[in-house]
Amino acid sequence: SAVISQKPSRDICQRGTSLTIQCQVDSQVTMMFWYRQQPGQSLTLIATANQGSEATYESGFVIDKFPISRPNLTFSTLTVSNMSPEDSSIYLCSVRTGAQETQYFGPGTRLLVL
Amino acid sequence: GNSVTQMEGPVTLSEEAFLTINCTYTATGYPSLFWYVQYPGEGLQLLLKATKADDKGSNKGFEATYRKETTSFHLEKGSVQVSDSAVYFCALSSNTGKLIFGQGTTLQVKP
Repeated sequence: SAVISQKPSRDICQRGTSLTIQCQVDSQVTMMFWYRQQPGQSLTLIATANQGSEATYESGFVIDKFPISRPNLTFSTLTVSNMSPEDSSIYLCSVRTGAQETQYFGPGTRLLVL
Repeated sequence: GNSVTQMEGPVTLSEEAFLTINCTYTATGYPSLFWYVQYPGEGLQLLLKATKADDKGSNKGFEATYRKETTSFHLEKGSVQVSDSAVYFCALSSNTGKLIFGQGTTLQVKP
C-alpha cells in the first residue's frame, strides 16, 4: 500500500481566489490522480498527473481552471483557480501502485467557497 | 462503455443484521473490481478487491465475489456493527487503469 498525505485538510475560501492543494506519497509512484467529490456525490476524475509532462484532463475539466504540477514521483499539486461556490467539494489525491496496480486515496481536502 | 451500478441507499440496519449491497458492472475485457469505504469526514479506504473471475475479496468481515456470469460484485457482511456506518463505493479498473465508481451506498447501522 501507500501512505498519502494532503494539505490543507480543509479550507474556507472567498470566491475569485485560488487554492493550491498538495499531495505527498511515501514512495515513488508512476500514476497519480486527482478526483473531485461534490457534496453527496460519487468521485469524478479530474486528471492524471504525469511526471515530467502536462497532466491529462478528463472531459469537462481544463488546465486553466485546475492547473496541476508533478515535479517528481512522490509529489503533486492541484490548484483550484478563480473559485466559485460550485467548486465546494472534497478534492482527493490518489496513486496507483503495487503488483496488482491498486489505487489508494489520500484523506482529502474539504473546500468550502463562499 | 464501462459503468458501475450500485443499489440505492440509504440502507438502514440494526446491529448484528446481515448486510448485502448490490453492485453490477458493464465493462470490456476483465476488469479488477474494488469496494472502497468512506467513513464520515474521511477519505476513501480500500476495503477489498478481486482481480479475476471467481476471486473472493475479504476484509474486516466483509466479502465480495467476482461473478463474471452475472457481472456482479455484491458486498456482504454477516453481522454489521454501528462502526460500519459509512458510504460504500463499488468500482472497477478500466483497461486504461482509470477507476470507474458507482454512485455510493450509505449504510446506517442502529444499535
